[in-house]
Amino acid sequence: EVQLVQSGAEVKKPGESLRISCKGSGYNFGIYWIGWVRQKPGKGLEWMGVIYPGDSDTRYSPSFQGQVVISVDKSVNTAALQWSSLKASDTAIYYCARLRDHEIDYWGQGTLVTVSS
Amino acid sequence: QSALTQPASVSGSPGQSITISCTGTSSDVGRYEYVSWYQQHPGKAPKLIIYEVTHRPSGVSNRFSGSKSGNTASLAISGLQSEDEADYYCGSYTINTTLFVFGTGTNVAVL
Repeated sequence: EVQLVQSGAEVKKPGESLRISCKGSGYNFGIYWIGWVRQKPGKGLEWMGVIYPGDSDTRYSPSFQGQVVISVDKSVNTAALQWSSLKASDTAIYYCARLRDHEIDYWGQGTLVTVSS
Repeated sequence: QSALTQPASVSGSPGQSITISCTGTSSDVGRYEYVSWYQQHPGKAPKLIIYEVTHRPSGVSNRFSGSKSGNTASLAISGLQSEDEADYYCGSYTINTTLFVFGTGTNVAVL
């Protein structure tokens, strides 16, 4: 069974750093792109960027370039999303998602990130 | 790289049929037969319900169907049921380097 299991909810202060993770299982992790999706409270889905675990090829949507870093450790089937200095506007649910050819077929359960002073 | 455009909300009575549009450009919806649709209930992760414009994953009701004409794709829901109340997002493969783009989302209400 394919699964993407994300790390737990986080509460952080503005300016703090954070790394959240997404562990894949039940499939060949190295051959499917993994994307990250932001959903702010009450808002829509935003495609942040994507990484190919096989060679770590990483692409960022323009709005997120320079704001986050997407990485992967293929040896433990885990992708990560990290911030060096969080802002209140980063408060959102973040999903990882498997891109099968041209559509997302599996989603993680989501990680709620709350940034508040 | 802009999001695909969807109506903010669509509503219908039980048993009726509704259609949700998804308008993109010649770089995404108009270029490829790779439009997908996702259903998201409150507090849940999205779920794939249509891929490659018209295909339904195993287990998805045949009340959901997809189509495309030019730069606009559509999701039709027939025999509307209360369980169909959710947010719906289209997505498309894109020529841009980030590979994928979402629609703005549509809230479906069953009156």
